[in-house]
Amino acid sequence: AQSVTQLDSHVSVSEGTPVLLRCNYSSSYSPSLFWYVQHPNKGLQLLLKYTSAATLVKGINGFEAEFKKSETSFHLTKPSAHMSDAAEYFCVVSPPGGSYIPTFGRGTSLIVHP
Amino acid sequence: SQTIHQWPATLVQPVGSPLSLECTVEGTSNPNLYWYRQAAGRGLQLLFYSVGIGQISSEVPQNLSASRPQDRQFILSSKKLLLSDSGFYLCAWRVVAGAEQFFGPGTRLTVL
Repeated sequence: AQSVTQLDSHVSVSEGTPVLLRCNYSSSYSPSLFWYVQHPNKGLQLLLKYTSAATLVKGINGFEAEFKKSETSFHLTKPSAHMSDAAEYFCVVSPPGGSYIPTFGRGTSLIVHP
Repeated sequence: SQTIHQWPATLVQPVGSPLSLECTVEGTSNPNLYWYRQAAGRGLQLLFYSVGIGQISSEVPQNLSASRPQDRQFILSSKKLLLSDSGFYLCAWRVVAGAEQFFGPGTRLTVL
């Protein structure tokens, strides 16, 4: 069994300040973990993925996430927010081969103030 | 490179009318295919997934159905739409279980 909890439904930051979007997971296996971004009325775009290699994962647009097994967390960070980062973010856990169903978090809406 | 197409982009349909949404993938073979629905301001709900031609698994009982007539084609259908079928429909694919998914641009369905 697996589950994902995104701890904040909304996060509000000022442009140029750091971003932290929190994600905790639960999995019976060593999972693959992903972060996706969705802008209004668009499909989801992969930001980054963790697949049991380096625990600090760098993604597109300056985002990165750190896999912490002891804390079962996979938080998404960015040093400096840009107005274009305003979007919905989804954390996803996917078990290794044999299961076809990834589990999505409920999403975190990132609001960026000028 | 791989691409995924969905059409139409937007659709407004009356209650009780039929529905057909199409998704096609290019540049890959035998992908796992997925249909999701996203209600306004909410997360993603998995509707159907397919691991091969003619193989469809349903995750949520509803008045929708899915078919996979060709390797890279996935169709979402309904015989009679309900108001509750309104939402943003997303198709996705991935190469193997456990890998990342790639999403299409989505179809905005409004049932009136």
